[in-house]
Amino acid sequence: KAGVTQTPRYLIKTRGQQVTLSCSPISGHRSVSWYQQTPGQGLQFLFEYFSETQRNKGNFPGRFSGRQFSNSRSEMNVSTLELGDSALYLCASSSTGTRINEQFFGPGTRLTVL
Amino acid sequence: AQSVTQLDSQVPVFEEAPVELRCNYSSSVSVYLFWYVQYPNQGLQLLLKYLSGSTLVKGINGFEAEFNKSQTSFHLRKPSVHISDTAEYFCAVSASDYKLSFGAGTTVTVRA
Repeated sequence: KAGVTQTPRYLIKTRGQQVTLSCSPISGHRSVSWYQQTPGQGLQFLFEYFSETQRNKGNFPGRFSGRQFSNSRSEMNVSTLELGDSALYLCASSSTGTRINEQFFGPGTRLTVL
Repeated sequence: AQSVTQLDSQVPVFEEAPVELRCNYSSSVSVYLFWYVQYPNQGLQLLLKYLSGSTLVKGINGFEAEFNKSQTSFHLRKPSVHISDTAEYFCAVSASDYKLSFGAGTTVTVRA
């Protein structure tokens, strides 16, 4: 089985721009979660989607949004980029997203905001 | 709310020596516990998990961890490390569905 894929792997944007990141889960997985990883804040949960519905959301401003498509692929969008949004954005998929299911992580998208 | 504290930010260790990475958690509900490893420029890979049953959990690459409910700890151990174990290690808890809470991470550097 192919693993979780994320595109693009690297991205450079300037302040004020917006960005869209994509995540394709493992085949058959219906839950997709997004995490932000920074040296200062560590790994922080952004949101989780299952069957196109957001089931949980972390403490991020409304500039961060996401969606999931019927094929379980997910995108996250960050509008009006700030320097502090520079981070590694990780996507994880699991079969159902419940507590006992292992989450499989993709390699991440490294976003640099200049 | 739940939180995870990894007590060591950096752990230098010589090759073939044992290593222990400490993790404490706090939660008002029962939790599931995980250890992940992150190699440079890669995503996270699951090393092991505790869901229930035996408190000693064995994982991949020779790692094991012990769940201690009274001390709210889930320490990770390996009896003999290799250069290839150089990586960042994250302890995580799942106290509710659809979300993992991670510790700050422990960087393990294995020296020859």
